Amino acid sequence: KNEVEQSPQNLTAQEGEFITINCSYSVGISALHWLQQHPGGGIVSLFMLSSGKKKHGRLIATINIQEKHSSLHITASHPRDSAVYICAVGKETSGSRLTFGEGTQLTVNP
Amino acid sequence: NAGVMQNPRHLVRRRGQEARLRCSPMKGHSHVYWYRQLPEEGLKFMVYLQKENIIDESGMPKERFSAEFPKEGPSILRIQQVVRGDSAAYFCASSQTGRYSYNSPLHFGNGTRLTVT
Repeated sequence: KNEVEQSPQNLTAQEGEFITINCSYSVGISALHWLQQHPGGGIVSLFMLSSGKKKHGRLIATINIQEKHSSLHITASHPRDSAVYICAVGKETSGSRLTFGEGTQLTVNP
Repeated sequence: NAGVMQNPRHLVRRRGQEARLRCSPMKGHSHVYWYRQLPEEGLKFMVYLQKENIIDESGMPKERFSAEFPKEGPSILRIQQVVRGDSAAYFCASSQTGRYSYNSPLHFGNGTRLTVT
């Protein structure tokens, strides 16, 4: 079993819909990251969080340390949000390196 | 303030050749991480370096792969005698300190896509 599990693997939505991507992990962490990867492009760090909730524009990330679970929400989704969203954790025991989920492919149709 | 710069963006090598991938961290960043993304797979950690030091190379294949981050110049990921299985996207990230924090986030480069023919 992977230490970081994301769901769903693939998600198709209509423009304007509210989207939720989930991430569960099984190890102690120092921080959790949400990353965005566009096709053929680089990786952008969206959020880094160790507790509570963060918001940036239409994106919201939450984390529940006790339940070892995080969610990424996108409000009023737009086709330009289409990308792979990756959850990654910095484990308490492994210093600075990240352990990644498999990613969620999001497609938002106009 | 330029971000993390990786070059080349695309690299084609024949089996048995050497591949050199370069990563210039963000200005002021002295911590560099290399990650590999194999086709249809997730990202995997390879190596973590500070200037002139390898801190954690637990994700590096035992043979043919090496990494350095000299006092001057970019970090280099070197793959000797490449094989088809080395075809992947290689990403570099940098941070100001070794512990991520709100004030020291992680920045990724655009990656180098290596194709071995």
